[in-house]
Amino acid sequence: GAGVSQSPSNKVTEKGKDVELRCDPISGHTALYWYRQSLGQGLEFLIYFQGNSAPDKSGLPSDRFSAERTGGSVSTLTIQRTQQEDSAVYLCASSLLTRSTDTQYFGPGTRLTVL
Amino acid sequence: AQKITQTQPGMFVQEKEAVTLDCTYDTSDPSYGLFWYKQPSSGEMIFLIYQGSYDQQNATEGRYSLNFQKARKSANLVISASQLGDSAMYFCAMREGLFSGGYNKLIFGAGTRLAVHP
Repeated sequence: GAGVSQSPSNKVTEKGKDVELRCDPISGHTALYWYRQSLGQGLEFLIYFQGNSAPDKSGLPSDRFSAERTGGSVSTLTIQRTQQEDSAVYLCASSLLTRSTDTQYFGPGTRLTVL
Repeated sequence: AQKITQTQPGMFVQEKEAVTLDCTYDTSDPSYGLFWYKQPSSGEMIFLIYQGSYDQQNATEGRYSLNFQKARKSANLVISASQLGDSAMYFCAMREGLFSGGYNKLIFGAGTRLAVHP
């Protein structure tokens, strides 16, 4: 079946602009996660959705970052007033939310460059 | 303190030989899971293998096996019969609180870049 998809694959923006990153999880996966991968910080957790609610937003680096999920499916990560330090690859993952293994499957990522 | 430590920034191996990628972890939670992911130059994270803290046997998936030493808190990935296509970054990750319904996030190590030489 189809895997996790993300769009756009690449995004170049100017400092101060807002950007929206989209994630389409595997059909039927209840849980959705956003991570950020950057050279200096490695892979960092940002936010986790269970259905449409976000029980864990602990990784969002500032209030410029927000995310929502609608219909238990597609999620959008929004970064307002982008800064150069926001440049990174943003990875989305989804899982079935089983109690034990709960393997997370990742999308190809969105590479964000803030000029 | 680092929760996941991968001490080998880079490794190389000859094609068809076996290679071990190291991973040590730190947690006080009795229920946790350990994952290995492969990230080729294309950027996608590919799930390889999983080991639960209560699993009695070491996990295996094809050419991948996990050398799980619970007392030493290590979960090394062994790749047998290396292929050129195995050249990639490899990440060890941990999920805590397997049965508590929380802590669903993965905590990643810094990764090991593996190069397979012909």
